Formats: sequence, C-alpha cells, structure tokens
Amino acid sequence: DTEVTQTPKHLVMGMTNKKSLKCEQHMGHRAMYWYKQKAKKPPELMFVYSYEKLSINESVPSRFSPECPNSSLLNLHLHALQPEDSALYLCASSPRGEGPTEAFFGQGTRLTVV
Amino acid sequence: KQEVTQIPAALSVPEGENLVLNCSFTDSAIYNLQWFRQDPGKGLTSLLLIQSSQREQTSGRLNASLDKSSGRSTLYIAASQPGDSATYLCAVMDSSYKLIFGSGTRLLVRP
Repeated sequence: DTEVTQTPKHLVMGMTNKKSLKCEQHMGHRAMYWYKQKAKKPPELMFVYSYEKLSINESVPSRFSPECPNSSLLNLHLHALQPEDSALYLCASSPRGEGPTEAFFGQGTRLTVV
Repeated sequence: KQEVTQIPAALSVPEGENLVLNCSFTDSAIYNLQWFRQDPGKGLTSLLLIQSSQREQTSGRLNASLDKSSGRSTLYIAASQPGDSATYLCAVMDSSYKLIFGSGTRLLVRP
C-alpha cells in the first residue's frame, strides 16, 4: 500500500472560518510534509515533520498551523485565511533512515478562500 | 540554497517520438532525486527514484539518469503516447529530508 489519503478533496471557507485538512498514511513513514501549489507552479514546501516533530517550517504564516498527532496522521489547521491562500494543498510522506527514501503524495485538497 | 531548474518548460511532440526532459540542481549534496508526473488538478505520482549513489533507474518506457557531480538528471521517455501528456517534475531531497521541486516540464503528445 503506497497510498497517502487526504481529506477533504475540496474545501471552500470564508476568511473568518476555522477548518482543518487531514492526511493519513499507513506505510510506516516517519517523515511527513505539507506543500502548497498554485496553478501552473511547482509545489512549495511549507512544513516537514520528522518522527512526529516539526523539523522544518518554511516561514509559513501563523494562520497555518500543522499538527502531527501520531506517526500516521498529519493535520493542517487553517484560521483567518486570505483569498491568496487559495491553492492545492498536498501532503506527502517518505521513509526516514537508511534505504530508499521515495516520497509519496496524496491527491491534494483544493482550497478556495472566499 | 538549493535551486532546481527544468528545461524545456513545455514540449509538444507527435506520438511515437523518444524524448528527453532535463533537470539541473545547484547543490550536489543531495540524498536522492525523484521524478514525478502530475495530471491537471491532481496529486503527484512517483515515477522513478534515484538514490545519490546510483547512476540510473528504469521503469518500463522510462529511464532516468543522475550525474550528481555535474548537478544534472535526465528523464528519457521512449515511444511516447498521448497518455504520457502531463507535467513532469523533478525533485531533490537533501539530508534534512527537504524535497525541493523544479518548475516542471509540460508535455503534450499529439496523436
């Protein structure tokens, strides 16, 4: 099973709403990632979790708050977003340690902020 | 800071042609390089992973090579088909498990 599952697939939220994106993998991967992708652009790294601890934050605004409750789950909590935050949000996971570190991506959550 | 560049940005070829996509990176201290395919509005599908100690990987009609010292990788697609039409992205992973993407090559294979 090389699946990374993201929910919801689509989300429309107002600028005053609070919502969460969810990502799940059961491959035993200990690195998990959040990326943001705008149309016709490559994915931009937001956060990296390694062994359930935040290891990289690419200077992401605090209105995005990641959480890794266990080794299989990754959440992204959203609050007071702006219309320019509308994008495809992608979650990925990869193994840590020795051996191949192939990254697998979910199908993404298409977020629209109105 | 690692920078990843892909050329060409777009490519249109007739069905059946063999083609090469290029990827270059500025910092050779990479852990691995991975090629992905992305269909419009969808997630990324992993095509090939090349560990830093490897020179090439093959999967079906796809062959990827890696020259770490010169900071280059190529993706070779043999006998292209319309179903190969997609955006192809290369990404390098560094020792902190940061995965950095190139800007992609949009491929159109015409029937």
